[in-house]
Amino acid sequence: DTGVSQNPRHKITKRGQNVTFRCDPISEHNRLYWYRQTLGQGPEFLTYFQNEAQLEKSRLLSDRFSAERPKGSFSTLEIQRTEQGDSAMYLCASSLYRGQGRGEAFFGQGTRLTVV
Amino acid sequence: KQEVTQIPAALSVPEGENLVLNCSFTDSAIYNLQWFRQDPGKGLTSLLLIQSSQREQTSGRLNASLDKSSGRSTLYIAASQPGDSATYLCAAGGSSASKIIFGSGTRLSIRP
Repeated sequence: DTGVSQNPRHKITKRGQNVTFRCDPISEHNRLYWYRQTLGQGPEFLTYFQNEAQLEKSRLLSDRFSAERPKGSFSTLEIQRTEQGDSAMYLCASSLYRGQGRGEAFFGQGTRLTVV
Repeated sequence: KQEVTQIPAALSVPEGENLVLNCSFTDSAIYNLQWFRQDPGKGLTSLLLIQSSQREQTSGRLNASLDKSSGRSTLYIAASQPGDSATYLCAAGGSSASKIIFGSGTRLSIRP
């Protein structure tokens, strides 16, 4: 098991372009989370999945953001019509939920997005 | 709504000292609390997870405690080393056991 994997590690894009990030969770983990982190701040919750179902979305997730987890395995986070304010580190985490509380969450190395 | 606060925002101590990092949360109905370490430009590394039924967890030189009634957790680092320099984040979940909410972190610097 190689842990949570995120690709790409870095992405520079021009304002107005669309970008897509991928997250591969730990294989047996049924929960997958997306967070956004800006410099000097803690990660902010964006959305999470249990298997393929998206169970919660933050109000931070505008209509330009969409996340999917087809087949309950890897997940993608797409940002359409990027804005400079989207520049941040996007973090993915996974955990194993067994019906009694959240298990230990493991994070990937993140994707750093720079919108120019 | 769960809110997590970490004080101080930054801390600098000489090598070898024992230190305590603080975390407070507003919703005591948590399932667990997790401490992470983050090096500059990197992802988060899980350090310790304390279940709501536990009072503390230990891993090597690290000891984390949880007091749900007062809404507080502490991370104790013994015999600090320069390699401990990083940002330490605590994260608490609400009663829905879904998302976890992070504090802003404590940036720790250990001076050789």
